[in-house]
Amino acid sequence: DGGITQSPKYLFRKEGQNVTLSCEQNLNHDAMYWYRQDPGQGLRLIYYSQIVNDFQKGDIAEGYSVSREKKESFPLTVTSAQKNPTAFYLCASRVRRGRGTEAFFGQGTRLTVV
Amino acid sequence: DQQVKQNSPSLSVQEGRISILNCDYTNSMFDYFLWYKKYPAEGPTFLISISSIKDKNEDGRFTVFLNKSAKHLSLHIVPSQPGDSAVYFCAASVLWGGADGLTFGKGTHLIIQP
Repeated sequence: DGGITQSPKYLFRKEGQNVTLSCEQNLNHDAMYWYRQDPGQGLRLIYYSQIVNDFQKGDIAEGYSVSREKKESFPLTVTSAQKNPTAFYLCASRVRRGRGTEAFFGQGTRLTVV
Repeated sequence: DQQVKQNSPSLSVQEGRISILNCDYTNSMFDYFLWYKKYPAEGPTFLISISSIKDKNEDGRFTVFLNKSAKHLSLHIVPSQPGDSAVYFCAASVLWGGADGLTFGKGTHLIIQP
């Protein structure tokens, strides 16, 4: 079955540590995205990538980093520079930019800083 | 500055009746609109979309209406069922050009009363 897999589902991090969230898709989609959801808030775009080895900052990129070495994978690193990292993180993919298509989402990773 | 607004944080509707969820946008560049449904601790699932060349799109119990002059769209669910209880997000994007990614509203929590 095609889809997007995020792991782990729950993640705990100590303050000052970097942590990497995994996102893998087997939908053969070109574009991939990372969003963050906070209570009572919509989804806010962190980073996106249209193609392998290229990515762009979204609205709230500070304190985050990404890589896109393979089409299927778009990992997100939450660095110690992110001041409020506790949130629900969602990865999504889409066929490609400029097409009237929906984005498909993974099941999310709940990150908690302890 | 919110470009996509869902002004009702919650909505309670009786089972079997019509649910109407509203969404306003400010960016006139948006030309593709989507509705997503989300359960707690899960990723959003796509419901229905509409492009700016249409004013209505229907899929089973779900209908989306777009009023471009008012920069307003709405999602109608008829008849409402208990499984429809969830948070509904309105999202918008630009089909060609502009920044990529979907811009989301803050969501409306729909509660279907038996």
